[in-house]
Amino acid sequence: GAGVSQTPSNKVTEKGKYVELRCDPISGHTALYWYRQSLGQGPEFLIYFQGTGAADDSGLPNDRFFAVRPEGSVSTLKIQRTERGDSAVYLCASSRYRGETEQFFGPGTRLTVL
Amino acid sequence: DAKTTQPPSMDCAEGRAANLPCNHSTISGNEYVYWYRQIHSQGPQYIIHGLKNNETNEMASLIITEDRKSSTLILPHATLRDTAVYYCIVRVALNTGNMLTFGGGTRLMVKP
Repeated sequence: GAGVSQTPSNKVTEKGKYVELRCDPISGHTALYWYRQSLGQGPEFLIYFQGTGAADDSGLPNDRFFAVRPEGSVSTLKIQRTERGDSAVYLCASSRYRGETEQFFGPGTRLTVL
Repeated sequence: DAKTTQPPSMDCAEGRAANLPCNHSTISGNEYVYWYRQIHSQGPQYIIHGLKNNETNEMASLIITEDRKSSTLILPHATLRDTAVYYCIVRVALNTGNMLTFGGGTRLMVKP
């Protein structure tokens, strides 16, 4: 079956602009996670959704970052007033339910802020 | 979640066993050991997990020491496609956020 998909695969933007990154989880997965991965480092947790609600947003670096999952499936990560330090690969993962052993990751969106 | 320590890089000859170590000396009794790997330009992929018994699946084997302070992931017959960064993660099965906390991982290079 289809895995986790993320669009766009690459996004280049200018400093100060607004961007939206989309994640389509595996159908039926209730838990959805966003991670950010800088070059040469492991992924870092940003936010976790259980259904439509953000159950844990402790990893969001500041209030320029926001994510939604209005219908409990697709999620959008929104970044306002982008900065060069936001450049990274943004990864989305889903699992069937909270506590599921395995998280299934998408290929990521590479964001470059010029 | 407990912190893990892994060597930054390792080499392995194709067809030989790859043994990837991980230290987790501060692991708690309710924390599991998980292994994920990340092939270049892809998202991480789950490999295996265990609590205290050794585990084996179609991808790998996981050996956990009796005191649970360290573990080894074994790829029995490494292929070129196993070249990746391997992450050892320890976490409770149902932590508050259920997120994964990745360290730096081990970059495994399988050579012909």
